[in-house]
Amino acid sequence: NAGVMQNPRHLVRRRGQEARLRCSPVKGHSHVYWYRQLPEEGLKFMVYLQKENIIDESGMPKERFSAEFPKEGPSILRIQQVVRGDSAAYFCASSGTGDTDTQYFGPGTRLTVL
Amino acid sequence: AQKITQTQPGMFVQEKEAVTLDCTYDTSDQSYGLFWYKQPSSGEMIFLIYQGSYDEQNATEGRYSLNFQKARKSANLVISASQLGDSAMYFCAMRGTGANSKLTFGKGITLSVRP
Repeated sequence: NAGVMQNPRHLVRRRGQEARLRCSPVKGHSHVYWYRQLPEEGLKFMVYLQKENIIDESGMPKERFSAEFPKEGPSILRIQQVVRGDSAAYFCASSGTGDTDTQYFGPGTRLTVL
Repeated sequence: AQKITQTQPGMFVQEKEAVTLDCTYDTSDQSYGLFWYKQPSSGEMIFLIYQGSYDEQNATEGRYSLNFQKARKSANLVISASQLGDSAMYFCAMRGTGANSKLTFGKGITLSVRP
């Protein structure tokens, strides 16, 4: 059974460029969560999506960040005009029903902004 | 709002001994879930154990058990018979229900197992 897949595993961008992070949930899971981990800190929630719907985006910065989970294909976290403070590990997690299921995490994407 | 507190400094344990990692939480929800995840130096997040707020028995998964004390709002992780591979960062997390099913994490505790 394939777990949560994330790519790329490492991404280097220069300030002002765009970063696209992809997440393929566990097969059959329809709930996707994105979290960000800054160095030496715990994970912070960003956004919760179901297919074609954003359920909770209370943790998303108001500008430059967006997320989608289309009917077909992976979930995408998009960061426009990256700044050095965006350097972090970005984790995607998926669950079956969302409400009561355990969230299983992908390996993360380490974003470095030069 | 939900809050998880993990205040222990780095923890050390001798191989084959048991260790308890502390976690306290705060929430106004009646229904919630408590989780522990392990993050080794390689960086991935590994699910260890889950406890539901209405579960009367403490959860166990192999060498992991969760000491759930609802009145004290604590959910401590107990690792028995520590192994060198247990050296990692450990995060306690809480989840609400429905649209509030996001995880709220504590800052984590570093565990080092000594041979």
